[in-house]
Amino acid sequence: KAGVTQTPRYLIKTRGQQVTLSCSPISGHRSVSWYQQTPGQGLQFLFEYFSETQRNKGNFPGRFSGRQFSNSRSEMNVSTLELGDSALYLCASSPLLLTGGGYGYTFGSGTRLTVV
Amino acid sequence: GQQLNQSPQSMFIQEGEDVSMNCTSSSIFNTWLWYKQDPGEGPVLLIALYKAGELTSNGRLTAQFGITRKDSFLNISASIPSDVGIYFCAGQEYSNYQLIWGAGTKLIIKP
Repeated sequence: KAGVTQTPRYLIKTRGQQVTLSCSPISGHRSVSWYQQTPGQGLQFLFEYFSETQRNKGNFPGRFSGRQFSNSRSEMNVSTLELGDSALYLCASSPLLLTGGGYGYTFGSGTRLTVV
Repeated sequence: GQQLNQSPQSMFIQEGEDVSMNCTSSSIFNTWLWYKQDPGEGPVLLIALYKAGELTSNGRLTAQFGITRKDSFLNISASIPSDVGIYFCAGQEYSNYQLIWGAGTKLIIKP
C-alpha cells in the first residue's frame, strides 16, 4: 500500500512569506503528526491531528498551524517565515491517536524548507 | 524543546565492527523506541521496548530498556555498509505520553 506522501519535497521561500505543506497519510490512518527536524536538534514535535481535530501540540509559536481534512489529509502552515524555520518537516501517520507517542508511526520522506 | 541525551553524536567504524549507542533521560519513560533515518528519508522504526529490563532483538540489532526506566541502549553487531545513517532514540513519558527524541547518532563506516 502507498506510504505517507509529503509534498512538495523541496521548497525555497523568502523571509516574511508564508508556506503550506501537505501530507497524505496511509489509507485508513486517522492520526497525522508533524515534526520539525534541524541538524543537531533531533525531531521536535509540532502537533498531532486526529479526526480533523488537533489533539496535542508542541512548544512552537502560533505562526505554526495545521489542519486535517475529512479524508485525513493534513496541511501545515507557517506564516511570517524566519530564517530559523529552515528545516526538514516530517509528517507521520498512524491508525490510532497516540497523543505524541511514536509506535505505529510511519513517516513520510519530508519537505525540506529553506528560508532565505 | 526537551531532549534525551543520546551518545555518541557520531561514530566512525570499520565494516564488521560492533556498534553501541545509548540514551539517557532525567524523566521516567514507559516506552523506548529506536529509529533509523537514511539520507533524504523519514525515520523508520527499528525496535520498540515497553518494559523495564526488556531486551529485544531485530536481526543484528539488540536494544534494552534500562532498569531505572531512564535509559536505553542499542547495539548493532557485525556492521555492514547499509547500516550507515542516523539512529534516533525516543522515549514516551510516563506522565503525559509525550514523545521525546534524542538528537541522533550518525553512523559512518570507514572504507
